[in-house]
Amino acid sequence: GAGVSQSPRYKVAKRGQDVALRCDPISGHVSLFWYQQALGQGPEFLTYFQNEAQLDKSGLPSDRFFAERPEGSVSTLKIQRTQQEDSAVYLCASSLTGTVNYGYTFGSGTRLTVV
Amino acid sequence: DQQVKQNSPSLSVQEGRISILNCDYTNSMFDYFLWYKKYPAEGPTFLISISSIKDKNEDGRFTVFLNKSAKHLSLHIVPSQPGDSAVYFCAARRNYGGSQGNLIFGKGTKLSVKP
Repeated sequence: GAGVSQSPRYKVAKRGQDVALRCDPISGHVSLFWYQQALGQGPEFLTYFQNEAQLDKSGLPSDRFFAERPEGSVSTLKIQRTQQEDSAVYLCASSLTGTVNYGYTFGSGTRLTVV
Repeated sequence: DQQVKQNSPSLSVQEGRISILNCDYTNSMFDYFLWYKKYPAEGPTFLISISSIKDKNEDGRFTVFLNKSAKHLSLHIVPSQPGDSAVYFCAARRNYGGSQGNLIFGKGTKLSVKP
């Protein structure tokens, strides 16, 4: 597609429920990033994939968070046993390798609310 | 500890005048700096970038200045237009050394351009 697509746009989960957030990057983009944006804050890095390899997961806040990109295209961010502090907008971004000067292209995000 | 700081949460400017958005950083290992614009309910949109080896980059109405000795950068918008009203995020890339690095964002500055 023309842009980075994320689904669902909105998700309400009961505390303790597992959720899965999907990201479809721009076709051909090698790099894929997940960010978490809390209300009134800037996006915070969660994890980074180059093709199917997860090269950096240092930003994942706990072992309840898991991300995968098995075929090097679509990625899923899974949160197990959701907590209220997980409420945030989850942003996915993709880019071609070596083109940071053109920026990373972000999707519109998934707004997760844990009740 | 915040590595990228935007100390002004908001800025109001008259249409046609100059908007100056400021950003400070602490990590001298950052190799690229980017500005993103964000409208409500949308993902951040890339605006302009600058390499750490440059001190200025210009694209139409947007100019970014980098002062490495002061660890400070600024975004100038001239002339400002009402459509520029949005939240502006400053971001810095930490290079992994060969592969792409992740972006570290400030908290954002909300710009309001009044007609």
